Amino acid sequence: DVKVTQSSRYLVKRTGEKVFLECVQDMDHENMFWYRQDPGLGLRLIYFSYDVKMKEKGDIPEGYSVSREKKERFSLILESASTNQTSMYLCASKEGAISRVMNTEAFFGQGTRLTVV
Amino acid sequence: TQLLEQSPQFLSIQEGENLTVYCNSSSVFSSLQWYRQEPGEGPVLLVTVVTGGEVKKLKRLTFQFGDARKDSSLHITAAQPGDTGLYLCAGGQGAQKLVFGQGTRLTINP
Repeated sequence: DVKVTQSSRYLVKRTGEKVFLECVQDMDHENMFWYRQDPGLGLRLIYFSYDVKMKEKGDIPEGYSVSREKKERFSLILESASTNQTSMYLCASKEGAISRVMNTEAFFGQGTRLTVV
Repeated sequence: TQLLEQSPQFLSIQEGENLTVYCNSSSVFSSLQWYRQEPGEGPVLLVTVVTGGEVKKLKRLTFQFGDARKDSSLHITAAQPGDTGLYLCAGGQGAQKLVFGQGTRLTINP
């Protein structure tokens, strides 16, 4: 059974704190993604990575950074948390290097609901 | 950024009724996927369509990809309470990125 695991289901952090959200996948997928989900806005891509140590900005990267030191792990970092970063954060992984499989399924973790107070 | 517009955003109907959810864009996508998300969980893939005009059926759910690969629809026949959930369309950009619509929150009342 394939699995994407996010380290926390719920987090409460204070404004200005540095926050780490961790995601691990066991499917040996090249691609990993971080989205945030807000009511009425759907899923918005923050960052994605198509290989170890490689990263690309998504649509809303401001205030976030990422780290991918190992293939199975993709971390999202909020350098200085702010209240407008209160949201549901979803990690996903997907097979398919540029030269190979297209249109593959994205597998999601269960999400981390982050509240910044 | 290519945008996907879903409509309606909310839909509440009675068990046994039929419904259609739409996903539209001004851009062409290499593929279109539909996901369903239940409370407290991540989205789960229902179907992928890749060819313009393609129709796929999954029991009572029928998915269609527009001829120009800019839009898609999800039709549910004889809706059941178990169909309740958030339905998301996602357009493929190359082999890697997915662009998501805002979602349609569907409630089927017994």
